[in-house]
Amino acid sequence: KAGVTQTPRYLIKTRGQQVTLSCSPISGHRSVSWYQQTPGQGLQFLFEYFSETQRNKGNFPGRFSGRQFSNSRSEMNVSTLELGDSALYLCASSLKESSGNTIYFGEGSWLTVV
Amino acid sequence: AQSVAQPEDQVNVAEGNPLTVKCTYSVSGNPYLFWYVQYPNRGLQFLLKYITGDNLVKGSYGFEAEFNKSQTSFHLKKPSALVSDSALYFCAVRHGRSNDYKLSFGAGTTVTVRA
Repeated sequence: KAGVTQTPRYLIKTRGQQVTLSCSPISGHRSVSWYQQTPGQGLQFLFEYFSETQRNKGNFPGRFSGRQFSNSRSEMNVSTLELGDSALYLCASSLKESSGNTIYFGEGSWLTVV
Repeated sequence: AQSVAQPEDQVNVAEGNPLTVKCTYSVSGNPYLFWYVQYPNRGLQFLLKYITGDNLVKGSYGFEAEFNKSQTSFHLKKPSALVSDSALYFCAVRHGRSNDYKLSFGAGTTVTVRA
């Protein structure tokens, strides 16, 4: 069974640009969440989607947005990129939205903003 | 608000010795607790979780963790560490209440196992 797949793995963008990251969850998983990892702030929750609906949102500005498609695949978008957005963006999926379900993570997308 | 604390930034042990990575949590209600490991330039790998039941949870790669409600702790342990266990370890908590599904992570503990 394939794990959580994230594309692209590495990318470099310029300040002011926008970026879209893609995530394919484990087959059968309907809940997808996104996290940002930086050396200074650690792992921070961005948002979670279930059945194409955003269920939870972290404390990030409106430049960060996401969506989930009917096949559970998800994308997150960051507009007007800032240097501080450089980070590892991790996507995770779980079977359903129950708190006890295990969340499985992808390998992440490394974003560098220059 | 829920939170997780990993009081040690780094843990250094010799191969073959016991390994303990500490975690304490603060959450109202019943916690769902998780441990993940991250190798360099990789994503997070699930090790184990506590939902309910037996306080001693066994997970992947010989790791186990003990849930202690009175001390609000969920320490990760391995009886005999390997050099390959050197990595970054994260403790995480999820609220046991519906409509609050995000994981809150600790700051992480870097484990170094020397040969």
